[in-house]
Amino acid sequence: GENVEQHPSTLSVQEGDSAVIKCTYSDSASNYFPWYKQELGKRPQLIIDIRSNVGEKKDQRIAVTLNKTAKHFSLHITETQPEDSAVYFCAASIGFKTIFGAGTRLFVKA
Amino acid sequence: EAGVAQSPRYKIIEKRQSVAFWCNPISGHATLYWYQQILGQGPKLLIQFQNNGVVDDSQLPKDRFSAERLKGVDSTLKIQPAKLEDSAVYLCASSPIKSTGNGYTFGSGTRLTVV
Repeated sequence: GENVEQHPSTLSVQEGDSAVIKCTYSDSASNYFPWYKQELGKRPQLIIDIRSNVGEKKDQRIAVTLNKTAKHFSLHITETQPEDSAVYFCAASIGFKTIFGAGTRLFVKA
Repeated sequence: EAGVAQSPRYKIIEKRQSVAFWCNPISGHATLYWYQQILGQGPKLLIQFQNNGVVDDSQLPKDRFSAERLKGVDSTLKIQPAKLEDSAVYLCASSPIKSTGNGYTFGSGTRLTVV
């Protein structure tokens, strides 16, 4: 079955710097890759997603890139702000099943 | 639109007791998921419903966990008997269609502590 690995597990950046979180997946048939942000004690919320027929997608300060050949995708956050501090989860979907990565805890230091 | 509703928010039980969680998905969402999120880990799918039918329950520990969605709307997840390792947040999510291409909307979750 599908396996999603996410790195790093913890990331600390200065406010204003960029943050990059990377994920790899195992099943080349996966075709949808959402990213979720989970603040402490709150529910995961979808922040951006990308489909397998697209290589890059951007929404204001966040962007996601997908390399199908290498089976990896990344989340990029530019001009980080303290409110970006949270746990970020990547996921890969195949058919109707979505497998989540273990999460990256992002700290943005003011 | 109203979000995914879950109750209770918190539950503390002793091991070997039983517990039930309730979820009401977004109106019109045909697909409903139950996830288990252990502290420090990503959500792990327990069971997926399409309307009132089970699509995937391969990760559900069926000796102690059960779930139903009798009328294709709200759902209950039950644990009986509970073990210490069941301590986790149980997240319900829904999506409008069965296939991929749509992100989930998660509920606030039920935090279960088994002592």
